[in-house]
Amino acid sequence: EDQVTQSPEALRLQEGESSSLNCSYTVSGLRGLFWYRQDPGKGPEFLFTLYSAGEEKEKERLKATLTKKESFLHITAPKPEDSATYLCAVLPRPGRRALTFGSGTRLQVQP
Amino acid sequence: GAGVSQSPSNKVTEKGKDVELRCDPISGHTALYWYRQSLGQGLEFLIYFQGNSAPDKSGLPSDRFSAERTGGSVSTLTIQRTQQEDSAVYLCASSPREGVKETQYFGPGTRLLVL
Repeated sequence: EDQVTQSPEALRLQEGESSSLNCSYTVSGLRGLFWYRQDPGKGPEFLFTLYSAGEEKEKERLKATLTKKESFLHITAPKPEDSATYLCAVLPRPGRRALTFGSGTRLQVQP
Repeated sequence: GAGVSQSPSNKVTEKGKDVELRCDPISGHTALYWYRQSLGQGLEFLIYFQGNSAPDKSGLPSDRFSAERTGGSVSTLTIQRTQQEDSAVYLCASSPREGVKETQYFGPGTRLLVL
């Protein structure tokens, strides 16, 4: 069975304190790994897609990386506006059309 | 441009009543997905529509749940004889077409509370 596990469940950082969020996955044939950001009361907002081990994507203070077993979302010098829940999802084997999501990491950045 | 919209944004109902949730996808998107997000849980796939193909209903938790998509655009998710465990946020997403390179864009969700 496809499985996505995110850690930590919650993370509190001071403004400017860099850190990483982890997404480990067990799937049969990874076709893509997705990162989303979700603010309270809103739907997930797309951040990145990674397709193969070794790939990296960057956007502002965020950088996503992928290995054969896990993905990391690195947050450099975070600001309070980066506070949100970050969701990881995978698109597994061909024929499976929907994303399989992890439970998310709740990030709070304090000024 | 306009994103995915969902209505109502909040719905409170009594156990045993039927509810209908609506999703308007991004114009031109042929793929439409319904997910459910329960408190403390990850998003759970419910159903998928792609063009005129038969929907993938493999994620529906029981036969009380059904969905349709009219004219390849608007979709309605219906829950019959609601139960308290149906309380969750129901999220709709659309993408230009099926495929790994097609990003799914989510609506704001409908928060359903069954009393």
